[in-house]
Amino acid sequence: AQRVTQPEKLLSVFKGAPVELKCNYSYSGSPELFWYVQYSRQRLQLLLRHISRESIKGFTADLNKGETSFHLKKPFAQEEDSAMYYCALSRLTGGGNKLTFGTGTQLKVEL
Amino acid sequence: DTGVSQDPRHKITKRGQNVTFRCDPISEHNRLYWYRQTLGQGPEFLTYFQNEAQLEKSRLLSDRFSAERPKGSFSTLEIQRTEQGDSAMYLCASSLDRQGWQETQYFGPGTRLLVL
Repeated sequence: AQRVTQPEKLLSVFKGAPVELKCNYSYSGSPELFWYVQYSRQRLQLLLRHISRESIKGFTADLNKGETSFHLKKPFAQEEDSAMYYCALSRLTGGGNKLTFGTGTQLKVEL
Repeated sequence: DTGVSQDPRHKITKRGQNVTFRCDPISEHNRLYWYRQTLGQGPEFLTYFQNEAQLEKSRLLSDRFSAERPKGSFSTLEIQRTEQGDSAMYLCASSLDRQGWQETQYFGPGTRLLVL
């Protein structure tokens, strides 16, 4: 069975502080990992995916297969980063890439 | 707005009634997904379509639930004999499946259902 675990429901940091949102997963095959973000009153949207290996809005995430983790990091938090963040996985290849989501972490950036 | 749209945005119904939700995907997107999200949880997969074919259904999708995508464009999700446990946000997402293309699911705003 595939599962995504986000241990923190709420993470509060000060503006300018580093951010790390934790995500661990279990999956029997080769997964693709994603981070989705939902800003207040907006729809869920893709932030980044591991195969792209890119930085979006200053966020990065590295897939660690040994630790089965895909933590989201940003060196300096901004107020506009306050949002709900969901880690998700799907299978890397094959048809029907249904997403399995974690329970989400609410990030609050305080001034 | 060329994004995924869902209708209605909110629905309040009484237990035992039937409800139907509609999802209009981004045009030319051939895949359409339905998810359900309850309070404090992430979205959970319900079912997905490749064009008009429903290719996978979750065990969450009881026989009271039925989804269609008759012409490979918009989709409907019907819940018969609603129960209070059906109260949730129902999300639709669409994507383009194409060889050599990184599939990205684009989500709609959701339909919030409250069963009294």
